[in-house]
Amino acid sequence: TQLLEQSPQFLSIQEGENLTVYCNSSSVFSSLQWYRQEPGEGPVLLVTVVTGGEVKKLKRLTFQFGDARKDSSLHITAAQPGDTGLYLCAGEGSNYQLIWGAGTKLIIKP
Amino acid sequence: KAGVTQTPRYLIKTRGQQVTLSCSPISGHRSVSWYQQTPGQGLQFLFEYFSETQRNKGNFPGRFSGRQFSNSRSEMNVSTLELGDSALYLCASSTRPLAGSTDTQYFGPGTRLTVL
Repeated sequence: TQLLEQSPQFLSIQEGENLTVYCNSSSVFSSLQWYRQEPGEGPVLLVTVVTGGEVKKLKRLTFQFGDARKDSSLHITAAQPGDTGLYLCAGEGSNYQLIWGAGTKLIIKP
Repeated sequence: KAGVTQTPRYLIKTRGQQVTLSCSPISGHRSVSWYQQTPGQGLQFLFEYFSETQRNKGNFPGRFSGRQFSNSRSEMNVSTLELGDSALYLCASSTRPLAGSTDTQYFGPGTRLTVL
């Protein structure tokens, strides 16, 4: 069974600080996606990483896919209150279904 | 273009009842997937429909069923509700012409089901 573990589960920091969220597995994924979900809404896709070692940047967010395609990280620089939300990673499994992490609840305090 | 819509947004039922949730995908999207989201568990895949056919199914009991209509609108039904069925039910639509293709999924806001 393919599993994705996200850490930390909860993170509360001050505006302006940096943070990293991790998504780890013992399984290899053909691609990995990161989503952000805000209260009362469904998840919204932020990025998809496909190649081992790939790094993608989205403004202050940096996404990295591990060389072995088993793990990924999301780094936010100078966090802002608008970054608050639930961050979810999802890996494309062997049967083309998405395997989801449990999520990291991020709160950025002004 | 209108996004994915789900109705109702909130629902309260009692154990043993059944419930039907509805999802209208983005115009032109023929793939609709359903997920169950509970705190600490992430999203659990229920099933995917494409052109009125179930194309993929997760590991849920037979009490959970779904269907898709010719206009791509989809419904999911849960019979004999249990307390553990309380969750946010999300649907997502995409073009995803092939079961093995990767395509962006667009999620609706979800239906919050509470079972008492």
